Amino acid sequence: SQKIEQNSEALNIQEGKTATLTCNYTNYSPAYLQWYRQDPGRGPVFLLLIRENEKEKRKERLKVTFDTTLKQSLFHITASQPADSATYLCALGRGYGNKLVFGAGTILRVKS
Amino acid sequence: DTAVSQTPKYLVTQMGNDKSIKCEQNLGHDTMYWYKQDSKKFLKIMFSYNNKELIINETVPNRFSPKSPDKAHLNLHINSLELGDSAVYFCASSQALHTQYFGPGTRLTVL
Repeated sequence: SQKIEQNSEALNIQEGKTATLTCNYTNYSPAYLQWYRQDPGRGPVFLLLIRENEKEKRKERLKVTFDTTLKQSLFHITASQPADSATYLCALGRGYGNKLVFGAGTILRVKS
Repeated sequence: DTAVSQTPKYLVTQMGNDKSIKCEQNLGHDTMYWYKQDSKKFLKIMFSYNNKELIINETVPNRFSPKSPDKAHLNLHINSLELGDSAVYFCASSQALHTQYFGPGTRLTVL
């Protein structure tokens, strides 16, 4: 069955550094991959979408890469700030019905 | 203005009871979803409706029944609640580009 793995341990980094989060998947051929941010007690918030024919996407301090050969996506936050502290979820999708399959998320803590 | 809203935010009830959670979106989206997020934080899809038609129905006990009176509303009714139903339930909606907009969640606790 399809499996999505994200860094199981929390990622602790210093303010100003670049945070890199990993999303690996198996037994799946997604048409697109999304990253969401979830704060405690709140619903996930969409950040970025990257399609299978795209290698990289950027939005302000965020960058996502997608390697369908390695079956991996990397999510980067440059010049990280304490306000970036949250859980980041990756999600894979394929098409009609828009069914998204989510990873368990990685907790990011940015310390000042 | 809240894009996707859910009520109630918290629901505490006894085993065996029946309860409902309501969801409304004002984004004009055609598709709505129910997700369950368990204690391990996995977010799993339960149901999806497109223009009031059920299009995704994952392996969910028959005690869970979604209802979509119109494309802006998707409710979830749960019969005979069990301890294992305790979780946070999220409603979401989407239109183009596959982006999903989530509600704030309903934390259900079954005692």
